[in-house]
Amino acid sequence: SQQGEEDPQALSIQEGENATMNCSYKTSINNLQWYRQNSGRGLVHLILIRSNEREKHSGRLRVTLDTSKKSSSLLITASRAADTASYFCATNFGNEKLTFGTGTRLTIIP
Amino acid sequence: DAGITQSPRYKITETGRQVTLMCHQTWSHSYMFWYRQDLGHGLRLIYYSAAADITDKGEVPDGYVVSRSKTENFPLTLESATRSQTSVYFCASRDRLNYGYTFGSGTRLTVV
Repeated sequence: SQQGEEDPQALSIQEGENATMNCSYKTSINNLQWYRQNSGRGLVHLILIRSNEREKHSGRLRVTLDTSKKSSSLLITASRAADTASYFCATNFGNEKLTFGTGTRLTIIP
Repeated sequence: DAGITQSPRYKITETGRQVTLMCHQTWSHSYMFWYRQDLGHGLRLIYYSAAADITDKGEVPDGYVVSRSKTENFPLTLESATRSQTSVYFCASRDRLNYGYTFGSGTRLTVV
């Protein structure tokens, strides 16, 4: 069963707007990661946030983590057409494995 | 070429046939993984390996076999393909120090 569940399942916004995606998980984690998948391609690692961190930035990406609510959010600022993709959160429990959610499909309208 | 390479990119096979999907990485990453991606299920872990000659089951291992005789290769074999194994298969790797995975481009397998 999926550990992480993304919300919403699909999101369409105008270019230049900010996009926010949420991820909820069920059990304690070691870290949480976000990945992007362009259509027909493999997943690309975007950012990792550890369980003792609350916020992390990377370029136009901002990730927050609330371990008390078992949730995370990914914010993409000033969206571009090239950001159109599916975004997945993945949780790690301190072992080798990642468990992925079902993803949010983001469409940026030019 | 440096990176992680999957082959073939596309494969059509018949029910009951054995098929092997290949995965090769050039970084000498310790960990390698096989996932399948299906609509509505996201990515599900089939098998993973922590090092050469060390493999372990993931969430959906039934009907699949893996081996890892060399660090750089991690083939996935469907012993007797079934239609339910029609999917996109992704190989991934990571090293011991970094938790982020690097994924291959995937193999789209159709079982008819």
